[in-house]
Amino acid sequence: QVQLQESGPGLVKPSETLSLTCTVSGGSISSYYWSWIRQPPGKGLEWIGYIYYSGGTNYNPSLKSRVTISVDTSKNQFSLKLSSVTAADTAVYYCARSAINWYFDLWGRGSLVTVSS
Amino acid sequence: EIVLTQSPDFQSVTPKEKVTITCRASQSIGSSLHWYQQKPDQSPKLLIKYASQSISGVPSRFSGSGSGTDFTLTINSLEAEDAAAYYCHQSSNLPLTFGGGTKVEIK
Repeated sequence: QVQLQESGPGLVKPSETLSLTCTVSGGSISSYYWSWIRQPPGKGLEWIGYIYYSGGTNYNPSLKSRVTISVDTSKNQFSLKLSSVTAADTAVYYCARSAINWYFDLWGRGSLVTVSS
Repeated sequence: EIVLTQSPDFQSVTPKEKVTITCRASQSIGSSLHWYQQKPDQSPKLLIKYASQSISGVPSRFSGSGSGTDFTLTINSLEAEDAAAYYCHQSSNLPLTFGGGTKVEIK
């Protein structure tokens, strides 16, 4: 079955750029919307943004100035870049799949990213 | 941005009890409201879509209702494995938003 797996550094220094990749295995990245969602330790969920397999994006206005999501269909991967990070960006970052209906039917296991010097 | 307010924040319940969690939207969202269960150290799992539609593989004790601004997740006859945080999520408007969560503890 289709699975999602996040990968990337677990520790990022303040003011630097957080970079994560989500690999889609067992299925195609085509015809779906792919989102990044984060969860600070002990807190709730925040949608960061999505990318359509063809490249169209939409970002949460609260993070828009710092976020870039890209897709590589040849590798069945999509990626997140979050610039100028601070301690407030420390969170578990999830990748997730949705169709045009926008509910998330498939999630990765999550990747904890800590922002600290 | 549509704000989702869940209540209660925390609930301690004995097995076989009925659990009711509410989610109120800051404006009407029709039936574009979905529920997720997140067990400790796991990713969220879709429980209910479009307010009341069941998801394959989810036990029938989980049900949802509501439309417009007021929604309810009901767990009939709570089981020990239902200890988790529950989140509502709206897909009516961008940005997509989640409720603050309700933690259900088993007494």
